[in-house]
Amino acid sequence: EVQLVESGGGLVQPGGSLRLSCAASGFTFSTYEMSWVRQAPGKGLEWLSYISSSGSTIYYADSVKGRFTISRDNAKNSLSLQMNSLRAEDTALYYCARTVGTTDFDCWGQGTLVTVSS
Amino acid sequence: QTVVTQEPSLTVSPGGTVTLTCASSTGAVTSGYYPNWFQQKPGQAPRTLIYTTSNKHSWTPARFSGSLLGGKAALTLSGVQPEDEAEYYCLLYYGGVWVFGGGTKLTVL
Repeated sequence: EVQLVESGGGLVQPGGSLRLSCAASGFTFSTYEMSWVRQAPGKGLEWLSYISSSGSTIYYADSVKGRFTISRDNAKNSLSLQMNSLRAEDTALYYCARTVGTTDFDCWGQGTLVTVSS
Repeated sequence: QTVVTQEPSLTVSPGGTVTLTCASSTGAVTSGYYPNWFQQKPGQAPRTLIYTTSNKHSWTPARFSGSLLGGKAALTLSGVQPEDEAEYYCLLYYGGVWVFGGGTKLTVL
């Protein structure tokens, strides 16, 4: 069974940092692209970042470019999102999603909640 | 800034048919935008229904179909069931950037 489990969320002060992880299982992680998507409380979905299967190609949404860094460890079947200079508007539920090329976000985790507040 | 627009809300009767649309501020939506459609119920993660305009996953009920309609991506539900009440999001690809629509809250009443 394909499974994605996010972790690392929590309460952080404005300007602080947090590192999210996504543990993948049930599929050959190294052959799939991955993405991060977030959802602010009561709001819609926002795509944040994409990483190719090898990690050689990375894309970011303008809202997080320069502050967030996506990475992966194929040996550990793990995806990460390093979040720096956090703002109140970064408060959201963060999902990792398996991405098939540019065409399909076919599997999602349950999300990890990040709250940015003083 | 690219904006993807969906109907904020729609209401449909059980057994009826409804079409949700997804428009791009850049112009007509084509297959090259690889439209995806997701269903999200309260407290749950999104679930992919349709990818690349009209392709279904094994778990996608047959009553859901995707298409291009009048310059927009479209999701049609035929024979709507009460369990289809949910928020529906489209997603378009813009060459290294993906943009979600604001979502359509579908009420089955």
